[in-house]
Amino acid sequence: AQKITQTQPGMFVQEKEAVTLDCTYDTSDQSYGLFWYKQPSSGEMIFLIYQGSYDEQNATEGRYSLNFQKARKSANLVISASQLGDSAMYFCAMRGANAGGTSYGKLTFGQGTILTVHP
Amino acid sequence: NAGVTQTPKFQVLKTGQSMTLQCAQDMNHEYMSWYRQDPGMGLRLIHYSVGAGITDQGEVPNGYNVSRSTTEDFPLRLLSAAPSQTSVYFCASRSRDRGGKLFFGSGTQLSVL
Repeated sequence: AQKITQTQPGMFVQEKEAVTLDCTYDTSDQSYGLFWYKQPSSGEMIFLIYQGSYDEQNATEGRYSLNFQKARKSANLVISASQLGDSAMYFCAMRGANAGGTSYGKLTFGQGTILTVHP
Repeated sequence: NAGVTQTPKFQVLKTGQSMTLQCAQDMNHEYMSWYRQDPGMGLRLIHYSVGAGITDQGEVPNGYNVSRSTTEDFPLRLLSAAPSQTSVYFCASRSRDRGGKLFFGSGTQLSVL
């Protein structure tokens, strides 16, 4: 079974500063993928970044980077130069290995972290 | 370019009523899934499908049925609505790629009285 844990229910950051949102995971799969999604108050789910378990480099997408520490089973999201529009709920998610194609089709989500950016 | 289309956006049911949430995607994605979102619990997987004719249960399948007769459509049926099913429901799809991201519908706010 897969599990994602986000231990920070809420985080606050000053505009233009960097912030790290924590995510730890548990899986027995050797191959897996980690995702981060943003959910603003409008309710839509916005894909931010992806990291494969065999990717040697940490993923980056603009101001977002994923601090992947495989041995510690952590996949923290780093947002640089925070903006007011970054205020939202953030979800970490994991997909499993392609065991016959079934586990590949589902993602397990964490409980989410609400980020508030102060001006 | 519609992506994932989910209807309705809002629905109020009485306990015991049945209904179907519709979901369609036009990206030819093999994988489709239904999640429910409740405060403090993140998104929990209800049912998912890896292709037409193939479905499987997720974390919270009780009280829900699904079928996948075509690649495009993945409806979610509530058999006999209960207040515990009051939630926001999201349909999602993704491709077979390892890093294929999940595309979400706009969500359905369901209230069961």
